[in-house]
Amino acid sequence: GENVEQHPSTLSVQEGDSAVIKCTYSDSASNYFPWYKQELGKRPQLIIDIRSNVGEKKDQRIAVTLNKTAKHFSLHITETQPEDSAVYFCAARGLGNEKLTFGTGTRLTIIP
Amino acid sequence: NAGVMQNPRHLVRRRGQEARLRCSPMKGHSHVYWYRQLPEEGLKFMVYLQKENIIDESGMPKERFSAEFPKEGPSILRIQQVVRGDSAAYFCASSPLVNTEAFFGQGTRLTVV
Repeated sequence: GENVEQHPSTLSVQEGDSAVIKCTYSDSASNYFPWYKQELGKRPQLIIDIRSNVGEKKDQRIAVTLNKTAKHFSLHITETQPEDSAVYFCAARGLGNEKLTFGTGTRLTIIP
Repeated sequence: NAGVMQNPRHLVRRRGQEARLRCSPMKGHSHVYWYRQLPEEGLKFMVYLQKENIIDESGMPKERFSAEFPKEGPSILRIQQVVRGDSAAYFCASSPLVNTEAFFGQGTRLTVV
């Protein structure tokens, strides 16, 4: 089955700087890669996703890049703000397989 | 659209009791997924259901756990004879079609005492 690894597990960034979180996946058939943000005690919220037919997608301060050959994808947050502090999860899903396999999460702390 | 609704938000059960967790998907969504999150860990897939059908239960423990999504009413995740290791947050997600994004509910935090 699919295996998703996520790094780093914790990340502290000065407010205004950029944050990068990386994930690798094992199943080359995976074709959908969402990123979720989870604040303490709350639901995971989809913040951006990318499909395997594109290499990069951007939404304001958030971007995701995908390297299918290397089987890794990354989340980039620019101009970080205190409200970006949360746990971020990457996930992967394969064609014909509806379940999401999640990474272990990255706790991002923005230092004011 | 009220979003994915889960209840109860918090549930306390004594060892050996039964826990019933409910999930009402977003309007128009016929695909439901259950995930379990242990403290300080990621989400683990449990089961995927469509109306009246279990499509993939590869993440469900073989014993004590069951799920259903009847024609009418919410999806139910049932845990019989709960043990302390069942304590976790249980999240439900729904999607309108296959291969589309999934939206999560607020979760049910189960505590077994």
